[in-house]
Amino acid sequence: NAGVMQNPRHLVRRRGQEARLRCSPMKGHSHVYWYRQLPEEGLKFMVYLQKENIIDESGMPKERFSAEFPKEGPSILRIQQVVRGDSAAYFCASSLAGAHTDTQYFGPGTRLTVL
Amino acid sequence: AQSVAQPEDQVNVAEGNPLTVKCTYSVSGNPYLFWYVQYPNRGLQFLLKYITGDNLVKGSYGFEAEFNKSQTSFHLKKPSALVSDSALYFCAVRDMSTSGTYKYIFGTGTRLKVLA
Repeated sequence: NAGVMQNPRHLVRRRGQEARLRCSPMKGHSHVYWYRQLPEEGLKFMVYLQKENIIDESGMPKERFSAEFPKEGPSILRIQQVVRGDSAAYFCASSLAGAHTDTQYFGPGTRLTVL
Repeated sequence: AQSVAQPEDQVNVAEGNPLTVKCTYSVSGNPYLFWYVQYPNRGLQFLLKYITGDNLVKGSYGFEAEFNKSQTSFHLKKPSALVSDSALYFCAVRDMSTSGTYKYIFGTGTRLKVLA
């Protein structure tokens, strides 16, 4: 049973370019969460999505960041016009449902470096 | 708002000795607490969780955690440390926002170093 998949594992972008990060949840999971980890820090929640719906985006920066989870295909975290401060590890997690007892399972992360 | 604190940035322990990684929490309502481990350049691996029931929770790789309501703590423990346990450990609490979602609030992490 494959776990949460993320690609690419490493992504290098120059300032002003766009970054697209993909996340495929565990089989049977319909809830996806994105977190960002800055160097030497814990993970910070960004956004929670279900299929075709954004449920909670309270942790997303207001500009340049967007996320989607289409009916078919992976969830995408998109960062437009990247800046050096966007350099971080971005982790996706999935859960079976959105219940408060559900465990979130994390992918290996995408490490974004902005030059 | 819910929060967790990990007071130690790093814990050193000799191989074979018991280890404890500390976590305290602040929640309104019932706490739902989790421990994860992160190896270098890897994602987080789930170790264990406390939802309700027994205060001593057993998890993966021989780890366990003790929920203590009076001290608002959820310390991670292992009776005998292995060098391979060296990693970054995160405590997390389930936060319920006004929209009814259940995102995690993570501590800042504790780096465990097991010395041979």
